Amino acid sequence: GNSVTQMEGPVTLSEEAFLTINCTYTATGYPSLFWYVQYPGEGLQLLLKATKADDKGSNKGFEATYRKETTSFHLEKGSVQVSDSAVYFCARSHTGNQFYFGTGTSLTVIP
Amino acid sequence: DTAVSQTPKYLVTQMGNDKSIKCEQNLGHDTMYWYKQDSKKFLKIMFSYNNKELIINETVPNRFSPKSPDKAHLNLHINSLELGDSAVYFCASSPGMGDQPQHFGDGTRLSIL
Repeated sequence: GNSVTQMEGPVTLSEEAFLTINCTYTATGYPSLFWYVQYPGEGLQLLLKATKADDKGSNKGFEATYRKETTSFHLEKGSVQVSDSAVYFCARSHTGNQFYFGTGTSLTVIP
Repeated sequence: DTAVSQTPKYLVTQMGNDKSIKCEQNLGHDTMYWYKQDSKKFLKIMFSYNNKELIINETVPNRFSPKSPDKAHLNLHINSLELGDSAVYFCASSPGMGDQPQHFGDGTRLSIL
C-alpha cells in the first residue's frame, strides 16, 4: 500500500489565513521527504524538501519539518494567497529512485 | 527552454486505437519516468528508465510499452486503448538514482471515447 498519508481535501481558506496540510509516512530507514505543488493544467513542481531528521525545508513562504519521532512532514504557511490555490502532494523517496506520492490535497484560497 | 516536454498535450481517441506519447528532457538527466494521474489526482508510477535501461515496471497492462531511444527521450506507446486508460500521463526526469527530486512535464490528457 501507499506509505504516504496526507490530509484529505479539498481545503478552502480565506486569503491571509494559516495553512497546515498534514503528511505522515511509513518507512524503514530514513527516506528523503518532499512537497510538490501542482497548479491547474500543469505538472508537479518541487516546492521543498528535507533529507534528514529535524531538517526544515522552506520555499515561497511554505515550510515543513522532518519529524522522525512522529514520522511526519506537515506543510505550513503563515498567510496564504489566492495564487497558492493548487494541489499539494507529499512524497517520500524509496530505493531505486522510486517515489511514493500521497493522494494530493486540493487547496482553494478565496479573496 | 522547456526542461521536460511531452507531446501531445491533449489526445482524444476511440477505444481500440493505438497511440503514442512522446517525452524529451534537456536537463541532462539520466533517469526518466512515466506516471498516470487519475481523475481524483492520485499519482501512480508506471515505469522508470535509467540510462535507457528499464528500472521500474509497476503492475501495468502489457498494452503499455515504454521505449527509450536515448537517455533524453522516453516515449509511451499504448495499444488497444480502453476507457479506463483515460487519465493525465506525466513524464518526469531526475539526475539519477537516489533521493533526488524529479522534474515533471505538463502532462498529456488522454480521453477515450
